[in-house]
Amino acid sequence: GDSVTQMEGPVTLSEEAFLTINCTYTATGYPSLFWYVQYPGEGLQLLLKATKADDKGSNKGFEATYRKETTSFHLEKGSVQVSDSAVYFCALSDLGGGSEKLVFGKGTKLTVNP
Amino acid sequence: GAGVSQSPRYKVTKRGQDVALRCDPISGHVSLYWYRQALGQGPEFLTYFNYEAQQDKSGLPNDRFSAERPEGSISTLTIQRTEQRDSAMYRCASSSRVRDNEQFFGPGTRLTVL
Repeated sequence: GDSVTQMEGPVTLSEEAFLTINCTYTATGYPSLFWYVQYPGEGLQLLLKATKADDKGSNKGFEATYRKETTSFHLEKGSVQVSDSAVYFCALSDLGGGSEKLVFGKGTKLTVNP
Repeated sequence: GAGVSQSPRYKVTKRGQDVALRCDPISGHVSLYWYRQALGQGPEFLTYFNYEAQQDKSGLPNDRFSAERPEGSISTLTIQRTEQRDSAMYRCASSSRVRDNEQFFGPGTRLTVL
């Protein structure tokens, strides 16, 4: 079945450091890919998405590019802030596979220190 | 406008009791999803509805779990004869269209079974 594997955490960075969180997927169809973020004490929020190969999703300085050849959707940010501290989840939705559900990775906890 | 709401936000119950968790989706959203999230894990799909019709219940772990959405709006997830292993965060999400894979999440209900 469909699955998402993302980089194990936790990740601790200093403010203004470069961030990469790796995410790879397996899917029977041609999925859409997502990054969700969960800030402390809050629910899941969609951060960005991409629906086809070579699409780049971006939001709040974060970017991720849908790479079909490597089945990857790595999250990057050039300069993190303390306010980026959160848990990040990579997810896919494989509508072509007949299901509308989201399949999530285990999450990566990011802590940014001043 | 209001987002997805869930109630109660916290539920503590004794093993063997039944619990009902409520989800109120964003007004006008036709699709509604239930997920369960164990500590340190990503959300796992339970079931979803388009309008009042349950489309996929393949993620429900056993027949103690059921869900309904009788009028195509509010949904209730019911767990009968709760067990300690049912303790988790239960998350609801909604989307505005059928086969629209952008889902908006509620704050979740934290269930603790003693």
